Parts: sequence; structure tokens; C-alpha cells
Amino acid sequence: AQTVTQSQPEMSVQEAETVTLSCTYDTSESDYYLFWYKQPPSRQMILVIRQEAYKQQNATENRFSVNFQKAAKSFSLKISDSQLGDAAMYFCAYRSAFGNEKLTFGTGTRLTIIP
Amino acid sequence: DTGVSQDPRHKITKRGQNVTFRCDPISEHNRLYWYRQTLGQGPEFLTYFQNEAQLEKSRLLSDRFSAERPKGSFSTLEIQRTEQGDSAMYLCASSGVFGSDTQYFGPGTRLTVL
Repeated sequence: AQTVTQSQPEMSVQEAETVTLSCTYDTSESDYYLFWYKQPPSRQMILVIRQEAYKQQNATENRFSVNFQKAAKSFSLKISDSQLGDAAMYFCAYRSAFGNEKLTFGTGTRLTIIP
Repeated sequence: DTGVSQDPRHKITKRGQNVTFRCDPISEHNRLYWYRQTLGQGPEFLTYFQNEAQLEKSRLLSDRFSAERPKGSFSTLEIQRTEQGDSAMYLCASSGVFGSDTQYFGPGTRLTVL
């Protein structure tokens, strides 16, 4: 079974600075998808960024980018120019590319933005 | 707004009562998922549908839980004889036709069992 580990329960960053959230996963599969989801307080979960394992190029979405290290099974999220609206729980998630549709989530990292 | 919607947003019930939640997916999405999220944890998969067919169920889904998706549109999740351990946020998500499609989440239904 696949597992996802987020070893940082809480992180904080000064507004306008850069922060990196860590995620590692365990799988025996060669093809899969990785996601970062953001869950603001009392609001619904939204997709931040996704990465296909067969793509070597790291995904980027505006201020958000990932460092995908397939051999190390590592998938970190970098947030540049942090804004107050980035404050949320961030979840890393794994999904197999072979028929199994479910997302497997980590336990999350609570990100606080310091004004 | 054409996002995933869930009803009710909050439900308080007494132990032993039955509850039913509803999820309306994004209209063009044929896949629908249910997850459960307890405080301080990430969501855990419960079950998923492709159209009206329930294709996978987690071992977390005990006999007291049942999910349906008649006609492949909205879905319901029923919990019979609720227990205090059922208290959680129940999340619904939907995705499109292709296997690589992203899952989009609804706002969730928060269940409190007294």
C-alpha cells in the first residue's frame, strides 16, 4: 500500500518570503500522480499543483513550484513571495496511474504567514 | 457556481440515529468520491463511483455505511446507527472522464454525533 508522509506538522514564514513544505511517499509503482492541496480554515480543499511521475520537469503554477525527486520519492512544495492568503493546511497526496482511483493523503502541514 | 456542492454543511445527531448526506458533483464529471477527514488528519478514502457503478470501497466503510449514486448524477452517503467515532468531516469530490483528471472537492459535511 502506498503511504504519504509530511514530517512538518507546522511551518511559519514571513510575508513575502519563501517557504518549502516537505513530502515523501512510498510506492512500488512506476507511474503515478502527486498533488498538493490547500485547505484554508473552514473552507474547502483546493488543488494547488499536480505532477505526473513520468514527467521529469517540475510543475509550476505562478508562485507555487515543486521539487520532484522520483528516485528519492520526494515531492516538496515551494511557495515564493508568501501572502497572507496562503495561510492554510497543505496536504500532499498520491494517486496511482493504474486504475486505483483513490487519493492517499499525508497528515498535512499547517502554514502560518507572519505579517 | 458549478463546483461540487454538499448538503447539509453541518449535522448534529444523537448516537444511534441514521443520517444521510448528499453530494452534487460538477455536472460533466462522471466520477465521484467520498472521503472522511478527522481532526488533524488528512482525508481518508471511503468509496468511489464511475457513473452509477460503485467501483471501490475502503475497509473503513463498515456495514453501517452505504453509498449510492442513482442515474450517475448526485450521490448519497448514509450512516446507520451512528456512533461517536463517526464524528468527522465527510468530503465529496468529483473528476472527469480521463484517468489522470484531478479530483475537485466540495465544502464537506461536518457530522457531530452526541
